[in-house]
Amino acid sequence: NAGVTQTPKFRILKIGQSMTLQCTQDMNHNYMYWYRQDPGMGLKLIYYSVGAGITDKGEVPNGYNVSRSTTEDFPLRLELAAPSQTSVYFCASSYSMKGAGQPQHFGDGTRLSIL
Amino acid sequence: KNQVEQSPQSLIILEGKNCTLQCNYTVSPFSNLRWYKQDTGRGPVSLTIMTFSENTKSNGRYTATLDADTKQSSLHITASQLSDSASYICVVRGMTSGGSYIPTFGRGTSLIVHP
Repeated sequence: NAGVTQTPKFRILKIGQSMTLQCTQDMNHNYMYWYRQDPGMGLKLIYYSVGAGITDKGEVPNGYNVSRSTTEDFPLRLELAAPSQTSVYFCASSYSMKGAGQPQHFGDGTRLSIL
Repeated sequence: KNQVEQSPQSLIILEGKNCTLQCNYTVSPFSNLRWYKQDTGRGPVSLTIMTFSENTKSNGRYTATLDADTKQSSLHITASQLSDSASYICVVRGMTSGGSYIPTFGRGTSLIVHP
């Protein structure tokens, strides 16, 4: 069981370039999330999705876009990359967001540098 | 604004010793609190979950406590091992005005266990 798989693991972009961070999960989770983790800071929620075709903004959505066409996949799009988007990006999934819920299962992250 | 504060920021202990990590939160209304372990270069992994009615919960050498009145939680690690070296993240779920439960992440405590 692969869990949550993120690709690529590392990437260097030039300012103004665009790219898509891929995330796929094989646990049939309906909820998926994108976070960024900056050095010494807590994870910040970028976008989340409660099911295929439904997405919503998190705490820091500016400069990013997402789509959820299938239950398994939740890609994150960076348009016009900026140095402030240099970070480690984590994708996560869970069965539910409500109540005691289930734990979020995280991928191993994509380390992105914008130069 | 929902906030989760963790202390200490970093901690160095000798193998075999015990340690306690602290988490204070202002998330309201409170749903649950999780402790995650994040190894270097990996995504966070859930250690334990605390709900409003629970005071103490153990998972092997890890024991979490929750005081919902003072909005404090602790994670106690007994007989530390080298593999305990990691970042420990406190995550509190609260309900948004839209009825969703969004997690708020602490910055984590970096624990280093020396032989």
